[in-house]
Amino acid sequence: AQSVAQPEDQVNVAEGNPLTVKCTYSVSGNPYLFWYVQYPNRGLQFLLKYITGDNLVKGSYGFEAEFNKSQTSFHLKKPSALVSDSALYFCAVRGLGGATNKLIFGTGTLLAVQP
Amino acid sequence: DVKVTQSSRYLVKRTGEKVFLECVQDMDHENMFWYRQDPGLGLRLIYFSYDVKMKEKGDIPEGYSVSREKKERFSLILESASTNQTSMYLCASTMGGTGLNIQYFGAGTRLSVL
Repeated sequence: AQSVAQPEDQVNVAEGNPLTVKCTYSVSGNPYLFWYVQYPNRGLQFLLKYITGDNLVKGSYGFEAEFNKSQTSFHLKKPSALVSDSALYFCAVRGLGGATNKLIFGTGTLLAVQP
Repeated sequence: DVKVTQSSRYLVKRTGEKVFLECVQDMDHENMFWYRQDPGLGLRLIYFSYDVKMKEKGDIPEGYSVSREKKERFSLILESASTNQTSMYLCASTMGGTGLNIQYFGAGTRLSVL
């Protein structure tokens, strides 16, 4: 079965410092991985996705994610955090079976960027 | 700009009431989804629809039903609301195809069942 794990409920980082939000996956077949962000009182917004090709995927708002097959990880990164990056971040993997359009989400990681 | 609109941001209902949550998308997307979001549990799929009048159960369909009579509208129905259905409900839509397309989300409906 497809699944993703986000091992940290919360990540705290100072503004200007690099940030990493962790995600590991377990899949049958090729992993198709996504990151979404949820700002307070809003729905989720797409950040980036890995389908195939380059292991470093660039996305919106200066975020990038590194796909690592040997470690089954897809960590979200940003070189310099902003206070406005504070939000809830979800990793997701495409489902299998009849519902190939289904996404399976992790439990979310709250990113808090301190000024 | 892409838009998924959920009819209510906040709802308060009584136990046993029949509750309708409405979602409309303006992107001509084939697929629509209903999730519930709970702290520590992330997003869990309730139902989804891949075409008009077509639906498939997600991971937690018990106590819910759905309706999709028109392509742009997907309704979630709580047949008899219970307190354990107090949650944030998110609707999403995406183009049909391989499942690699972006899902677009509405702002959510926060439902409280008293």
